[in-house]
Amino acid sequence: KAGVTQTPRYLIKTRGQQVTLSCSPISGHRSVSWYQQTPGQGLQFLFEYFSETQRNKGNFPGRFSGRQFSNSRSEMNVSTLELGDSALYLCASSLAGENNQPQHFGDGTRLSIL
Amino acid sequence: DQQVKQNSPSLSVQEGRISILNCDYTNSMFDYFLWYKKYPAEGPTFLISISSIKDKNEDGRFTVFLNKSAKHLSLHIVPSQPGDSAVYFCAASAGRTGANNLFFGTGTRLTVIP
Repeated sequence: KAGVTQTPRYLIKTRGQQVTLSCSPISGHRSVSWYQQTPGQGLQFLFEYFSETQRNKGNFPGRFSGRQFSNSRSEMNVSTLELGDSALYLCASSLAGENNQPQHFGDGTRLSIL
Repeated sequence: DQQVKQNSPSLSVQEGRISILNCDYTNSMFDYFLWYKKYPAEGPTFLISISSIKDKNEDGRFTVFLNKSAKHLSLHIVPSQPGDSAVYFCAASAGRTGANNLFFGTGTRLTVIP
Protein backbone atom coordinates (compact mmCIF):
# COMPACT_ATOMS: atom_id res chain seq x y z
CA LYS A 1 0.00 0.00 0.00
CA ALA A 2 1.51 3.31 -1.04
CA GLY A 3 2.23 5.81 1.71
CA VAL A 4 1.82 9.55 1.77
CA THR A 5 3.64 11.13 -1.18
CA GLN A 6 4.95 14.67 -1.10
CA THR A 7 6.44 16.57 -4.01
CA PRO A 8 8.88 18.06 -4.54
CA ARG A 9 11.34 16.72 -1.94
CA TYR A 10 13.54 19.79 -2.09
CA LEU A 11 12.90 23.36 -3.14
CA ILE A 12 14.97 26.53 -3.15
CA LYS A 13 13.25 29.91 -3.42
CA THR A 14 14.13 33.55 -2.79
CA ARG A 15 12.44 36.03 -0.52
CA GLY A 16 9.21 37.44 -1.88
CA GLN A 17 8.44 34.49 -4.13
CA GLN A 18 5.58 32.07 -3.62
CA VAL A 19 5.62 28.29 -3.50
CA THR A 20 3.15 25.43 -3.86
CA LEU A 21 3.72 22.05 -2.25
CA SER A 22 1.77 18.91 -3.09
CA CYS A 23 0.60 15.95 -1.03
CA SER A 24 -1.10 12.71 -2.08
CA PRO A 25 -2.59 10.88 0.92
CA ILE A 26 -2.80 7.15 1.50
CA SER A 27 -5.58 5.66 -0.60
CA GLY A 28 -8.86 5.87 1.30
CA HIS A 29 -7.67 8.58 3.67
CA ARG A 30 -9.79 11.71 3.48
CA SER A 31 -8.18 13.89 6.13
CA VAL A 32 -4.94 15.69 5.25
CA SER A 33 -2.96 17.80 7.70
CA TRP A 34 0.11 19.95 7.15
CA TYR A 35 2.90 20.61 9.65
CA GLN A 36 6.02 22.75 9.69
CA GLN A 37 9.21 21.48 11.33
CA THR A 38 12.01 23.87 12.24
CA PRO A 39 14.95 23.42 14.63
CA GLY A 40 13.70 26.23 16.86
CA GLN A 41 9.95 25.55 17.01
CA GLY A 42 9.79 21.80 16.40
CA LEU A 43 6.75 20.31 14.69
CA GLN A 44 3.86 22.75 14.45
CA PHE A 45 0.39 22.28 12.99
CA LEU A 46 -0.55 24.43 9.99
CA PHE A 47 -4.03 23.26 8.92
CA GLU A 48 -6.23 20.24 8.27
CA TYR A 49 -8.50 19.54 5.32
CA PHE A 50 -11.35 17.06 5.15
CA SER A 51 -13.78 16.68 2.27
CA GLU A 52 -12.26 19.70 0.49
CA THR A 53 -12.93 21.95 3.51
CA GLN A 54 -10.48 23.41 5.96
CA ARG A 55 -11.54 21.92 9.25
CA ASN A 56 -8.89 23.26 11.57
CA LYS A 57 -6.15 25.87 11.44
CA GLY A 58 -3.01 26.49 13.44
CA ASN A 59 -1.43 29.79 14.43
CA PHE A 60 0.24 30.80 11.17
CA PRO A 61 -0.15 34.00 9.15
CA GLY A 62 -2.50 34.23 6.18
CA ARG A 63 0.46 33.84 3.79
CA PHE A 64 0.08 30.12 4.46
CA SER A 65 -2.91 28.61 2.73
CA GLY A 66 -4.04 25.29 1.41
CA ARG A 67 -6.71 23.41 -0.41
CA GLN A 68 -7.93 19.89 -0.95
CA PHE A 69 -9.26 18.36 -4.13
CA SER A 70 -12.08 15.88 -4.61
CA ASN A 71 -9.59 12.99 -4.78
CA SER A 72 -8.27 14.06 -1.32
CA ARG A 73 -4.97 15.29 -2.73
CA SER A 74 -3.89 18.52 -1.07
CA GLU A 75 -1.70 21.49 -1.83
CA MET A 76 -0.32 24.17 0.42
CA ASN A 77 0.79 27.56 -0.76
CA VAL A 78 3.10 30.07 0.89
CA SER A 79 3.14 33.57 -0.56
CA THR A 80 5.65 36.38 -0.09
CA LEU A 81 8.28 33.99 1.25
CA GLU A 82 10.42 35.07 4.20
CA LEU A 83 13.75 33.68 5.38
CA GLY A 84 11.98 32.23 8.43
CA ASP A 85 9.82 30.04 6.20
CA SER A 86 12.82 27.78 5.61
CA ALA A 87 11.67 24.49 7.07
CA LEU A 88 10.63 20.91 6.46
CA TYR A 89 6.95 20.83 5.52
CA LEU A 90 5.23 17.57 6.35
CA CYS A 91 1.90 16.27 5.19
CA ALA A 92 -0.03 13.63 7.10
CA SER A 93 -3.19 11.72 6.26
CA SER A 94 -5.68 9.78 8.35
CA LEU A 95 -8.87 7.82 7.86
CA ALA A 96 -12.22 9.31 7.00
CA GLY A 97 -12.62 12.22 9.32
CA GLU A 98 -12.82 10.35 12.58
CA ASN A 99 -10.87 11.81 15.42
CA ASN A 100 -8.42 9.72 17.37
CA GLN A 101 -7.05 7.98 14.31
CA PRO A 102 -3.27 7.89 13.75
CA GLN A 103 -1.88 10.28 11.21
CA HIS A 104 0.64 8.89 8.73
CA PHE A 105 3.32 11.21 7.44
CA GLY A 106 5.09 11.67 4.15
CA ASP A 107 8.82 12.34 3.94
CA GLY A 108 8.30 16.06 3.59
CA THR A 109 9.38 18.90 1.35
CA ARG A 110 12.55 20.69 2.45
CA LEU A 111 12.07 24.38 1.57
CA SER A 112 15.08 26.69 1.65
CA ILE A 113 14.69 30.45 1.27
CA LEU A 114 17.70 32.44 0.07
CA ASP B 1 3.62 27.40 25.31
CA GLN B 2 4.80 23.79 24.95
CA GLN B 3 1.80 21.61 25.78
CA VAL B 4 3.71 18.37 25.22
CA LYS B 5 7.16 18.02 26.73
CA GLN B 6 9.94 15.51 26.36
CA ASN B 7 12.51 16.55 28.90
CA SER B 8 15.24 14.12 27.90
CA PRO B 9 16.83 15.13 24.60
CA SER B 10 18.81 11.90 24.40
CA LEU B 11 18.96 8.36 25.78
CA SER B 12 21.54 5.58 25.32
CA VAL B 13 20.69 1.94 26.00
CA GLN B 14 22.52 -1.34 25.51
CA GLU B 15 21.13 -3.75 22.94
CA GLY B 16 18.69 -6.21 24.52
CA ARG B 17 17.85 -3.96 27.45
CA ILE B 18 14.70 -1.90 27.97
CA SER B 19 14.38 1.64 26.59
CA ILE B 20 11.99 3.95 28.43
CA LEU B 21 11.06 7.24 26.81
CA ASN B 22 9.01 9.74 28.78
CA CYS B 23 6.54 12.46 27.88
CA ASP B 24 4.51 14.97 29.91
CA TYR B 25 1.56 17.07 28.85
CA THR B 26 -0.31 20.02 30.33
CA ASN B 27 -3.62 20.16 28.44
CA SER B 28 -6.31 18.13 30.21
CA MET B 29 -8.39 18.11 27.00
CA PHE B 30 -5.91 15.75 25.30
CA ASP B 31 -7.53 12.35 24.89
CA TYR B 32 -5.37 10.61 22.29
CA PHE B 33 -1.65 10.07 22.46
CA LEU B 34 0.82 8.76 19.91
CA TRP B 35 4.48 7.91 19.54
CA TYR B 36 6.38 8.42 16.30
CA LYS B 37 9.88 7.41 15.28
CA LYS B 38 11.87 9.57 12.91
CA TYR B 39 15.01 8.78 10.91
CA PRO B 40 17.01 11.56 9.23
CA ALA B 41 15.61 12.68 5.87
CA GLU B 42 12.36 10.78 6.45
CA GLY B 43 8.97 11.74 7.84
CA PRO B 44 7.80 10.54 11.25
CA THR B 45 6.67 6.90 11.29
CA PHE B 46 3.68 6.02 13.47
CA LEU B 47 4.56 3.47 16.17
CA ILE B 48 1.76 3.13 18.68
CA SER B 49 -1.12 5.10 20.16
CA ILE B 50 -3.34 5.08 23.22
CA SER B 51 -6.74 6.54 23.98
CA SER B 52 -7.34 8.23 27.32
CA ILE B 53 -9.85 5.53 28.26
CA LYS B 54 -6.95 3.08 28.56
CA ASP B 55 -3.80 3.09 30.66
CA LYS B 56 -1.75 0.64 28.61
CA ASN B 57 -1.44 -0.45 24.99
CA GLU B 58 0.96 -3.04 23.70
CA ASP B 59 2.17 -3.87 20.19
CA GLY B 60 5.00 -6.34 19.93
CA ARG B 61 8.12 -4.89 21.52
CA PHE B 62 6.41 -1.53 22.10
CA THR B 63 4.21 -0.68 25.08
CA VAL B 64 2.77 2.73 25.90
CA PHE B 65 1.65 3.57 29.43
CA LEU B 66 -0.64 6.48 30.25
CA ASN B 67 -0.99 8.04 33.70
CA LYS B 68 -3.78 10.61 33.36
CA SER B 69 -3.58 11.90 36.92
CA ALA B 70 0.11 12.72 36.43
CA LYS B 71 -0.41 13.80 32.80
CA HIS B 72 2.45 11.51 31.88
CA LEU B 73 3.02 8.81 29.30
CA SER B 74 5.93 6.58 28.53
CA LEU B 75 7.05 4.29 25.73
CA HIS B 76 8.80 1.04 26.63
CA ILE B 77 10.81 -0.83 24.02
CA VAL B 78 11.80 -4.36 25.00
CA PRO B 79 14.23 -5.67 23.92
CA SER B 80 15.96 -2.70 22.35
CA GLN B 81 17.64 -3.28 19.00
CA PRO B 82 20.23 -1.19 17.12
CA GLY B 83 17.62 -0.48 14.42
CA ASP B 84 15.55 1.32 17.06
CA SER B 85 18.13 4.12 17.09
CA ALA B 86 16.18 7.21 15.96
CA VAL B 87 14.45 10.30 17.30
CA TYR B 88 11.18 9.53 19.07
CA PHE B 89 8.37 12.06 19.23
CA CYS B 90 5.44 12.02 21.58
CA ALA B 91 2.24 13.65 20.27
CA ALA B 92 -1.24 14.37 21.59
CA SER B 93 -4.59 15.54 20.29
CA ALA B 94 -7.90 16.68 21.76
CA GLY B 95 -10.28 14.67 19.61
CA ARG B 96 -13.19 15.30 21.96
CA THR B 97 -13.08 18.96 20.90
CA GLY B 98 -13.42 17.96 17.25
CA ALA B 99 -9.82 18.93 16.54
CA ASN B 100 -7.57 16.38 14.92
CA ASN B 101 -4.34 18.38 15.03
CA LEU B 102 -1.36 16.90 16.84
CA PHE B 103 0.78 18.69 19.38
CA PHE B 104 4.31 17.33 19.38
CA GLY B 105 7.07 17.14 21.94
CA THR B 106 10.60 18.16 21.00
CA GLY B 107 11.81 14.58 20.63
CA THR B 108 14.22 12.20 22.34
CA ARG B 109 17.17 10.77 20.42
CA LEU B 110 17.53 7.08 21.29
CA THR B 111 20.82 5.35 20.66
CA VAL B 112 20.92 1.57 21.07
CA ILE B 113 24.48 0.38 21.52
CA PRO B 114 25.31 -3.05 20.04
